[in-house]
Amino acid sequence: AQTVTQSQPEMSVQEAETVTLSCTYDTSENNYYLFWYKQPPSRQMILVIRQEAYKQQNATENRFSVNFQKAAKSFSLKISDSQLGDTAMYFCAFMKLGNNDMRFGAGTRLTVKP
Amino acid sequence: DVKVTQSSRYLVKRTGEKVFLECVQDMDHENMFWYRQDPGLGLRLIYFSYDVKMKEKGDIPEGYSVSREKKERFSLILESASTNQTSMYLCASSLRGNAFFGQGTRLTVV
Repeated sequence: AQTVTQSQPEMSVQEAETVTLSCTYDTSENNYYLFWYKQPPSRQMILVIRQEAYKQQNATENRFSVNFQKAAKSFSLKISDSQLGDTAMYFCAFMKLGNNDMRFGAGTRLTVKP
Repeated sequence: DVKVTQSSRYLVKRTGEKVFLECVQDMDHENMFWYRQDPGLGLRLIYFSYDVKMKEKGDIPEGYSVSREKKERFSLILESASTNQTSMYLCASSLRGNAFFGQGTRLTVV
């Protein structure tokens, strides 16, 4: 089975600054999806950004962007101009094509400080 | 608006009870999943299903079973609840690389 590793249990950043969350994964698959999800205290999982492995271009979504390094099996999330509302748990996830088997990392708790 | 609905937000059960956690999706998705979320461990896959009556074990299936009799409904069953099954349980459904989650059920076994 695929494994996903998030090596930063907790991070903090000042409001308006930039922060990068790390994620690595292990797979023998060539085509797959990668995701970053945000989970605020409400517990609802919110999709932040999605990357298809066959696309070389890094995905971006407003203030959120990824650095996808397929050969290194690395998928980091950059949050620019951090806002107080970005405070949450962030999960990196890997999804296989076909049956969409989806596995998650342990999460990074991000705190944005005023 | 896509919807994945879990039957309970909070649940308290006694040790040894049989517990049913229900999940319903209205998007006609083929794939459905049950995860358990614990601090420091992230979301761990218990079981998933890619079609009606089909199921696959995830990473931590012990002590759990599942049922998928209809496409829209995926049930997680704790045959005999134990205190180490106290956790948050998340259901998800997916299609073609897009996944959607329920609001979670916080289960406490006393």
